[in-house]
Amino acid sequence: GENVEQHPSTLSVQEGDSAVIKCTYSDSASNYFPWYKQELGKGPQLIIDIRSNVGEKKDQRIAVTLNKTAKHFSLHITETQPEDSAVYFCAASKSNYQLIWGAGTKLIIKP
Amino acid sequence: ETGVTQTPRHLVMGMTNKKSLKCEQHLGHNAMYWYKQSAKKPLELMFVYSLEERVENNSVPSRFSPECPNSSHLFLHLHTLQPEDSALYLCASSQDAAGPQHFGDGTRLSIL
Repeated sequence: GENVEQHPSTLSVQEGDSAVIKCTYSDSASNYFPWYKQELGKGPQLIIDIRSNVGEKKDQRIAVTLNKTAKHFSLHITETQPEDSAVYFCAASKSNYQLIWGAGTKLIIKP
Repeated sequence: ETGVTQTPRHLVMGMTNKKSLKCEQHLGHNAMYWYKQSAKKPLELMFVYSLEERVENNSVPSRFSPECPNSSHLFLHLHTLQPEDSALYLCASSQDAAGPQHFGDGTRLSIL
């Protein structure tokens, strides 16, 4: 069935460095790819999303890239800060209400 | 209030109890969702409602019963739950099938 693989499961980076989280999806009909940040005790918060007609999208320190041929998409966070520490989830959708979720990446920012 | 609000935030219940989870969205969205989040597992979609009609039901046991009285409110009625049902239950809403989903902070459910 449809699935999304997310790597790594844990990522530790020095404050100020960049962090990259990668996802691979299986269903080539997927056309919407959101990224969520979940802090302890909170629900997932949408931080950036991209649709299949775009290859890259940027919002301040956060960017997402999409390679439809390889069925890969990635989240890039530059100049990481302590408040970036959280669990990040990728997801893929065919715009049919259903999001297929990755298993999550725990991002740790070391001071 | 803005966003998606869930109550209660925490719930402890015995296996024979009946309780309900409540979700309210203040975003003017047409679709609402229930998800189950367990440790070390991807989020599991349980139910989807669009304009108060159920559009998805992903093989969820009948001990979970959803209700959507209007496009702003969603309930999850719980009855005779099992210990493996202990999890974080998240509610979300979206404008339509293709729109981004916005989540509440969840109800942490513990089954004794």
